[in-house]
Amino acid sequence: QKEVEQNSGPLSVPEGAIASLNCTYSDRGSQSFFWYRQYSGKSPELIMFIYSNGDKEDGRFTAQLNKASQYVSLLIRDSQPSDSATYLCAVNSQFVRALTFGSGTRLQVQP
Amino acid sequence: SQTIHQWPATLVQPVGSPLSLECTVEGTSNPNLYWYRQAAGRGLQLLFYSVGIGQISSEVPQNLSASRPQDRQFILSSKKLLLSDSGFYLCAWSVAGMGGWTDTQYFGPGTRLTVL
Repeated sequence: QKEVEQNSGPLSVPEGAIASLNCTYSDRGSQSFFWYRQYSGKSPELIMFIYSNGDKEDGRFTAQLNKASQYVSLLIRDSQPSDSATYLCAVNSQFVRALTFGSGTRLQVQP
Repeated sequence: SQTIHQWPATLVQPVGSPLSLECTVEGTSNPNLYWYRQAAGRGLQLLFYSVGIGQISSEVPQNLSASRPQDRQFILSSKKLLLSDSGFYLCAWSVAGMGGWTDTQYFGPGTRLTVL
C-alpha cells in the first residue's frame, strides 16, 4: 500500500507568521501533488497543485516539491486566523486513477 | 462552471438498514467520479472510482457498493449498514483522460452518516 505521511499537528503559529506544512510520499512513480484545505465539518477544497521540482507560488501560498527526497511542502505566508484548518496532502498514483491522501496536518493560527 | 451535488447532507440510520447516497455533477461530460470516506479525525479513504458509465473499481472490499447509471451520476449503496460505516462520505470528480499529470479532484459538500 503506497502511503502519504503528514504530521497530524496541531501546528500552532502566531498571526502574520509563516506556516510550514510538510508531506512525504512513498510512490516514486507519482507525478502530481496537491494541497487541499479542509475546515472542520466541511469538504476539502483545492489550494494548489505542483508537478515539477522546485517552488510554485500562488498568492500567500508556496508549494515546494523535491522528487528525489520524495517530499512536498506548503508554506503559508502572513498566516491569518482564517487559515486555521486541516491541510491535506494528496499524491497521484500510478496504480489507480485516484489520489492518495495523507491524514492531514491541523494548523492553528493564533490571533 | 462545474458543480457537484451530494444528498442527503446528513443521515442517521440504524444498524442493518440500507443506504443510498447520490452524487451528481453538472457542467462537464464523462468525468471520473470517486467515493471517499473520512472517519472522524482521519484521512480520506478511497472506496470506489469510475471512469465511465457502468465502470466501477472497488478499492475496499466491504459491504458497500457503487453504481454509475448515468454519465454524471454516482450512487453509493449498502444493503445492511454496520456501525463502522459511520463517517463523512465525499464524492469527487476529475477531468477524464488527462492521465497521471492532472488528476485534480474536486469534492462535493459531503454526506455525514451516523449509524446507530
